[in-house]
Amino acid sequence: DAGVTQSPTHLIKTRGQQVTLRCSPISGHKSVSWYQQVLGQGPQFIFQYYEKEERGRGNFPDRFSARQFPNYSSELNVNALLLGDSALYLCASSLNPGDSNQPQHFGDGTRLSIL
Amino acid sequence: GENVEQHPSTLSVQEGDSAVIKCTYSDSASNYFPWYKQELGKGPQLIIDIRSNVGEKKDQRIAVTLNKTAKHFSLHITETQPEDSAVYFCAAVSNTGKLIFGQGTTLQVKP
Repeated sequence: DAGVTQSPTHLIKTRGQQVTLRCSPISGHKSVSWYQQVLGQGPQFIFQYYEKEERGRGNFPDRFSARQFPNYSSELNVNALLLGDSALYLCASSLNPGDSNQPQHFGDGTRLSIL
Repeated sequence: GENVEQHPSTLSVQEGDSAVIKCTYSDSASNYFPWYKQELGKGPQLIIDIRSNVGEKKDQRIAVTLNKTAKHFSLHITETQPEDSAVYFCAAVSNTGKLIFGQGTTLQVKP
């Protein structure tokens, strides 16, 4: 079975631009979460979606937004890119976030570089 | 706020030796504690997890212990091999399902 898939794998943008990152969860998983991982640090929570509704939001500015589609895939959008947005963006899927014991499985991420 | 502290930040062991990584968490409502291994250019891979109603769990060479009273949990890797070299992250899950990660431990296993 396919794991969590993310696209693109790498992306280079300039300051002020906008970017859309995509994620397909493991088949049968209905929840998708997004994390930002800056080099040398642990991932930081950005969003969690379940059944197309936002279930949680981390401490990120409004430039960050996301949505989940009927097939449970998800997109993360970042507007007005800043140099500090350079990071690895990770997507994780789980069965149901209502059960906090459900393991979250990660994709290999999108490496975003801002010039 | 919610916080997970992880130590050490780097760990170097000889092949065959044991490695121990320790974490503490702040949110007493946390009830699920996964451990992830991240290799270069890859996403975090779940290697073992423990739930709050269990004090210890073992899977072959990997074991995790949990002390809820002290808010401590640890990862133990025995008979380390060069392929165990990676960055390891502990995490605690809040009752909202959000993962709070530690800062990571870079493990180097020398042949």
